[in-house]
Amino acid sequence: DIVMTQTPLSSPVTLGQPASISCRSSQSLVHGNGNTYLSWLQQRPGQPPRLLIYKISNRFSGVPDRFSGSGAGTDFTLKISRVEAEDVGVYYCLQATHFPWTFGQGTKVEIK
Amino acid sequence: QVQLVESGGGVVQFGRSLRLSCAASGFTFSSYGLHWVRQAPGKGLEWVAVISFDGSEKYYAGSVKGRFTISRDNSKNTLYLQMNSLRAEDTAVYYCARGGSPYMDVWGKGTTVTVSS
Repeated sequence: DIVMTQTPLSSPVTLGQPASISCRSSQSLVHGNGNTYLSWLQQRPGQPPRLLIYKISNRFSGVPDRFSGSGAGTDFTLKISRVEAEDVGVYYCLQATHFPWTFGQGTKVEIK
Repeated sequence: QVQLVESGGGVVQFGRSLRLSCAASGFTFSSYGLHWVRQAPGKGLEWVAVISFDGSEKYYAGSVKGRFTISRDNSKNTLYLQMNSLRAEDTAVYYCARGGSPYMDVWGKGTTVTVSS
């Protein structure tokens, strides 16, 4: 199985400041069709997960543009340009290139 | 609106069986693959299984393969997860999610399964 490793596991951030989460996969996530199926999800406290980003850098419908994704191959990053109070929660990367799909351990974003 | 509602969770004894359901509404159910994802108490997300739009393809996590079966009834807009030989480590909130291309774009609120000895 592909192992997804996120860093940091916890990220205390000042409101209005940027935050960055890294996700590294144990194998390349480039599919045979040339696409890379890496997505990011947010889970606010007490809520189900919510899709933020798919295929590395595509924001899902309704996701604010302060969220952006980048990367290639085995190294990926989620950035929040200016953290707002509603961004508190746990963020997960997910690889969907290879079965079984696998999540990162999660990164908790909290306000300092 | 697009909605997924899980049901069927509860407390079950070690080694017994349970069937979860996920009722869908607000979209063309038979056009989408569907997933089960679980989250143990205080832990991260674990992908469990996926079924294709027509039920012809199914994939499972190694931790549940041979014990869990995913299925769907497109006439009832309902997804199922049959869980047999339950273990303590199967205790979790179980979410169903709609499959995109490929990602999971719509999630239910989850149903809680507790496996007790």
